[in-house]
Amino acid sequence: DAGITQSPRHKVTETGTPVTLRCHQTENHRYMYWYRQDPGHGLRLIHYSYGVKDTDKGEVSDGYSVSRSKTEDFLLTLESATSSQTSVYFCASETGQGEAFFGQGTRLTVV
Amino acid sequence: SQQGEEDPQALSIQEGENATMNCSYKTSINNLQWYRQNSGRGLVHLILIRSNEREKHSGRLRVTLDTSKKSSSLLITASRAADTASYFCATDVGTNAGKSTFGDGTTLTVKP
Repeated sequence: DAGITQSPRHKVTETGTPVTLRCHQTENHRYMYWYRQDPGHGLRLIHYSYGVKDTDKGEVSDGYSVSRSKTEDFLLTLESATSSQTSVYFCASETGQGEAFFGQGTRLTVV
Repeated sequence: SQQGEEDPQALSIQEGENATMNCSYKTSINNLQWYRQNSGRGLVHLILIRSNEREKHSGRLRVTLDTSKKSSSLLITASRAADTASYFCATDVGTNAGKSTFGDGTTLTVKP
C-alpha cells in the first residue's frame, strides 16, 4: 500500500456541514489525486495536484475544494456536504512514471 | 463520459480455470492500466501497458493491447479463490497515470 494513508476511514456527517478528508503519503510523490467511487462504478477524478500549491479540477469537482501545502498532504474539503456526496473517497499518489498508488478509502455518509 | 468500459460486468469461474476480461476505449491513449480492487479496499496496480506495446506479462497475468481496435484484455491463468475481486481498466491520454479514466469494472468470482 506504498505509504499512503487516508483519514478518517469512516465518517457520518449532516447535510450542510463542511467536511475535510486527509490524504498523507510518505513516498515524496509529486502527483496526488482525489477520486470518488459510487456503488458498482469505477473511480471518478475530483481534483488533482501536481505539486505543492498546484492543483486543478477533475471530472466531478463541483462542491469540492482541495489544498496542498506540503508534498505529503492533500486535503479534500466538501464545503457544504450534500446527500449526493455520500460515497467512498480514494486518494492516490504517483511519481509521474506511470503507476498510481491508492489509499484504503474513506467511506463518507451524508445524512 | 466514460473512456474505458470493461466486459463482462461479472464473471464466475472455477478455481484453476482462466479468466479473461476485456476493456474498450474511445480515444487514443498513452497508457492503459489494469487494477484490482478487493471488496472494501483500495485499488492495487497490476500492469501498465504503453500504447506502443502489444503484450505484457506479470506472473499469471497477461495483458494485450490492440490500439487499432481500441481494446485491451486481461487474462488471469490458473485462477485462485484469492483472485476474487473487481478488475478495472484505466486509460490515460497524458503523462500522469492518476489522471486516468476508469471503467466500471469486471467483478470476478473464483469458486473453490
